[in-house]
Amino acid sequence: EVQLVESGGGLVQPGRSLKLSCAASGFTFSNYYMAWVRQAPKKGLEWVATISTSGSRTYYPDSVKGRFTISRDNAKSSLYLQMNSLKSEDTATYYCARHGNYGPFGPFDYWGQGVMVTVSS
Amino acid sequence: NIVMTQSPKSMSISVGDRVTMNCKASQNVYNNIAWYQQKPGQSPKLLIYYASNRYNGVPDRFTGSGYGTDFTLTINSVQAEDAAFYYCQRIYNSPYTFGAGTKLELK
Repeated sequence: EVQLVESGGGLVQPGRSLKLSCAASGFTFSNYYMAWVRQAPKKGLEWVATISTSGSRTYYPDSVKGRFTISRDNAKSSLYLQMNSLKSEDTATYYCARHGNYGPFGPFDYWGQGVMVTVSS
Repeated sequence: NIVMTQSPKSMSISVGDRVTMNCKASQNVYNNIAWYQQKPGQSPKLLIYYASNRYNGVPDRFTGSGYGTDFTLTINSVQAEDAAFYYCQRIYNSPYTFGAGTKLELK
């Protein structure tokens, strides 16, 4: 059974940093592109980052480019999101998601349960 | 960047009705659209990919259609468990933009 379990969320002050982790199991992690998607309270979904199977290619929307860094450790079947210079508008539930069998060209077929990040003084 | 516009924002439907919701892309995205269902307190679930392909285990009352800029998700004979938010997403190329969602409520 595919499982994605996020951790590392919490309350952080504006301008500070936070690193999220996602532990994957139930599939060969190194074979799949992975992503982070966030959802602000009572709002819709926003794609945050995608990483290739080897980690050599990363993709971000303009809203987080230069502040967030996605990475992975295939030996540990783990995905990470380093978030720097956090702003109040980064407050959201962050989901780890798997790009499916079509890699970066396809949808997100599995999602974690999400971890809450609150940016506030 | 491509903008995905969903309509209506919300709809109230009776069990057994047929419902249609729309997703419009600001540019041609060919068939590169996915649809997700998100129930309160849960993570999103993939329903449809490449506009019309039903994902594993998705009931056949869910149907996706469209090409280019206009896409539709149809639910035939809505069930009580279909009450949820539905999101379309542009796939294939980044940014993988989502629409703002359609809320489906049951009367």
